[in-house]
Amino acid sequence: KQEVTQIPAALSVPEGENLVLNCSFTDSAIYNLQWFRQDPGKGLTSLLLIQSSQREQTSGRLNASLDKSSGRSTLYIAASQPGDSATYLCAVSPNQAGTALIFGKGTTLSVSS
Amino acid sequence: SAVISQKPSRDICQRGTSLTIQCQVDSQVTMMFWYRQQPGQSLTLIATANQGSEATYESGFVIDKFPISRPNLTFSTLTVSNMSPEDSSIYLCSAHRASGGEQYFGPGTRLTVT
Repeated sequence: KQEVTQIPAALSVPEGENLVLNCSFTDSAIYNLQWFRQDPGKGLTSLLLIQSSQREQTSGRLNASLDKSSGRSTLYIAASQPGDSATYLCAVSPNQAGTALIFGKGTTLSVSS
Repeated sequence: SAVISQKPSRDICQRGTSLTIQCQVDSQVTMMFWYRQQPGQSLTLIATANQGSEATYESGFVIDKFPISRPNLTFSTLTVSNMSPEDSSIYLCSAHRASGGEQYFGPGTRLTVT
């Protein structure tokens, strides 16, 4: 059974710092991996999607990497801002397109000004 | 991308009543899913909403408690029946197109049962 773990559970950093969020999964047979952002009491915003054949994806200050063989992904946030404060969720899609996602419990990030 | 809307955004309901949540996608999608997010927890899949056939439920979720409809490729409803305080959660609808593989989520419905 696929399990997704995110470390750390919470992180507090000062504005401007670069940071890394970690995600690991137990079964390397994944179709893709998505990183989401969730603001308190809100829905999910998709940040980055990495297909299983890809190593990384970038969007603005965000860079996500995928090492499928070791079951790991990282989300790198450069020059953090208070507006980045949110919960970041990692989710994997099993080895078949169109199936539901399996989520980690998330990392709650707080960026202070 | 796909834009997903949900109604209602939030509700406070009495124990024993039922609530139907609507999910509308701005374009046709292949797959639609319903998730539950209990306070302080991550998302758990309730069921896959299949167009034209019965929904596929995950272990621990049953049709009598969470009936789902999907009459077309852009719309689905989830009903939370005979509610108890344990049903207080955020309920999220998501959609997926076969090509690309990215999943999109609605803003969620925050349900409180008193």
